Amino acid sequence: EDQVTQSPEALRLQEGESSSLNCSYTVSGLRGLFWYRQDPGKGPEFLFTLYSAGEEKEKERLKATITKKESFLHITAPKPEDSATYLCAVGSGYALNFGKGTSLLVTP
Amino acid sequence: DTGVSQNPRHKITKRGQNVTFRCDPISEHNRLYWYRQTLGQGPEFLTYFQNEAQLEKSRLLSDRFSAERPKGSFSTLEIQRTEQGDSAMYLCASSLGGGLAKNIQYFGAGTRLSVL
Repeated sequence: EDQVTQSPEALRLQEGESSSLNCSYTVSGLRGLFWYRQDPGKGPEFLFTLYSAGEEKEKERLKATITKKESFLHITAPKPEDSATYLCAVGSGYALNFGKGTSLLVTP
Repeated sequence: DTGVSQNPRHKITKRGQNVTFRCDPISEHNRLYWYRQTLGQGPEFLTYFQNEAQLEKSRLLSDRFSAERPKGSFSTLEIQRTEQGDSAMYLCASSLGGGLAKNIQYFGAGTRLSVL
């Protein structure tokens, strides 16, 4: 059975303080690992998809990396507007199997 | 705005009533998905359509739930005889289909259901 575990559950950073979010996964036949951002009361917003170990994707202050068992979302010099819940999901069939997310708060 | 559209955004109903939600996917996307999300959890898969065919249903989709996608365009999700445990955010997503790179799912803003 596919499993996705995200850590930490919550993270508080000061503006400019870089950190990483972790997504550990087990899946039979990976059809992509996906990172989404979700703001309160809104639907998930697609950020990145990674397909194989060693792959990296970058967008502004965010960088996603992946190994055979984990993915990391690195946040460099975060700003308050980066505050949100970050969701990791794996695709093994048609459905996405999501973790519970990491709630990130960036304070000025 | 050419994103995924969901209506209504909020629905308050009494236990035992029926409710129906609508999802309009991105126009060229032939795959459509429904998920349910409760507070503090990630979205959970409910069902999947390719064009008008419903190809996969989760065990979460009890017999009180039914989904349709007539003519492969918009989709509706109906919940009959609602229960308080049905209170959640119902999310719709769509994807282009085809190879892996085309199967990125884009989500709507969701319909928040509150069952009193």
